[in-house]
Amino acid sequence: DAKTTQPPSMDCAEGRAANLPCNHSTISGNEYVYWYRQIHSQGPQYIIHGLKNNETNEMASLIITEDRKSSTLILPHATLRDTAVYYCIVRRRSGANNLFFGTGTRLTVIP
Amino acid sequence: GAGVSQSPSNKVTEKGKDVELRCDPISGHTALYWYRQSLGQGLEFLIYFQGNSAPDKSGLPSDRFSAERTGGSVSTLTIQRTQQEDSAVYLCASSLERGLETQYFGPGTRLLVL
Repeated sequence: DAKTTQPPSMDCAEGRAANLPCNHSTISGNEYVYWYRQIHSQGPQYIIHGLKNNETNEMASLIITEDRKSSTLILPHATLRDTAVYYCIVRRRSGANNLFFGTGTRLTVIP
Repeated sequence: GAGVSQSPSNKVTEKGKDVELRCDPISGHTALYWYRQSLGQGLEFLIYFQGNSAPDKSGLPSDRFSAERTGGSVSTLTIQRTQQEDSAVYLCASSLERGLETQYFGPGTRLLVL
């Protein structure tokens, strides 16, 4: 599975959009981009995933560049409860059985 | 329940004792995963079950660790002769099937070995 690079930390004002970037320049054609988050003292939580097209669900939007070498997770109206570590994962459909979480981005939503 | 549940939520044990951690996956999910997470670290894969297939044990750190999944549902992770370095949060996840699956995680069991 391709390696991802994320900034270690970000701040966002409550109510504003949080844009979390992820670089995955070595991504291959059959690899998907997944986002999970982990709120303090809780298990990881799935957010969204995509292959080529932009995706949106009730939690977030995922914007994938045309060359697929980077993506951005957007939380449209960040709340204090969105404070968490956000993980960007790239993996194949038939990849390893496990998920590999890197160090992620620690997002702090500020009141 | 609607999600993955784990028990106990916290476990404190003495070095050398055996512990059993339980995971109840989401009903209907055929795949079940165990991970552990040490303080401030990422996830470390331990073991994976898929249906009736032989489990993928490639992540188990030593032969003191074992897991079973009875009836394709509940799973138990057993750590024998616990060591202080076993202290971590043990997370269980399940998914509908292997592959392009979304893994749903339980709240974890916090194990502290004194």
